[in-house]
Amino acid sequence: GQQVMQIPQYQHVQEGEDFTTYCNSSTTLSNIQWYKQRPGGHPVFLIQLVKSGEVKKQKRLTFQFGEAKKNSSLHITATQTTDVGTYFCAGRWSYNTDKLIFGTGTRLQVFP
Amino acid sequence: DVKVTQSSRYLVKRTGEKVFLECVQDMDHENMFWYRQDPGLGLRLIYFSYDVKMKEKGDIPEGYSVSREKKERFSLILESASTNQTSMYLCASSTNRAEPYEQYFGPGTRLTVT
Repeated sequence: GQQVMQIPQYQHVQEGEDFTTYCNSSTTLSNIQWYKQRPGGHPVFLIQLVKSGEVKKQKRLTFQFGEAKKNSSLHITATQTTDVGTYFCAGRWSYNTDKLIFGTGTRLQVFP
Repeated sequence: DVKVTQSSRYLVKRTGEKVFLECVQDMDHENMFWYRQDPGLGLRLIYFSYDVKMKEKGDIPEGYSVSREKKERFSLILESASTNQTSMYLCASSTNRAEPYEQYFGPGTRLTVT
């Protein structure tokens, strides 16, 4: 079946350092979404990528969708303590489905 | 603002009990989902509903059933709770009417089965 793997599972960084999480799918995706879950909270939608090679930015966050639409990354520049949480990618493998396959998540800890 | 509510934040049940988890959304969304979240495993889809009385199995439906009698309400039922069903349960909803079709999550129910 379809699987979405994320690495790393955990990342601890000093405030001000950069952070990247990678997402890899076993099958080609129609699109990919990213969610953030703060400690004790629930996942909240960040962004959706649809096109092959697409790059989108939200302030210090940069999202990329691979050329083959099987991988994606989230890069945070100059992390802040407010970036703490778990980041999930979620892929949709068909335009005809509303189901998402969630990645295993990357938990980010930022030390001041 | 979309609101997804779940009936309990914390629940403790005994092995063999029948457990009902309720989820309500107020945005007239067509789709509703039940996930369980376990450390290192991410969110795994249990069941999904795209319309009233319609349901579809997710990746881990064994030991669970669902009910959607009204559009705004989606219930998850554990027919006979077992200790391996101790987990965080998250409900979500989404619409087909407008991109990007993101999912809105409830606060979660942490279920402990003893």
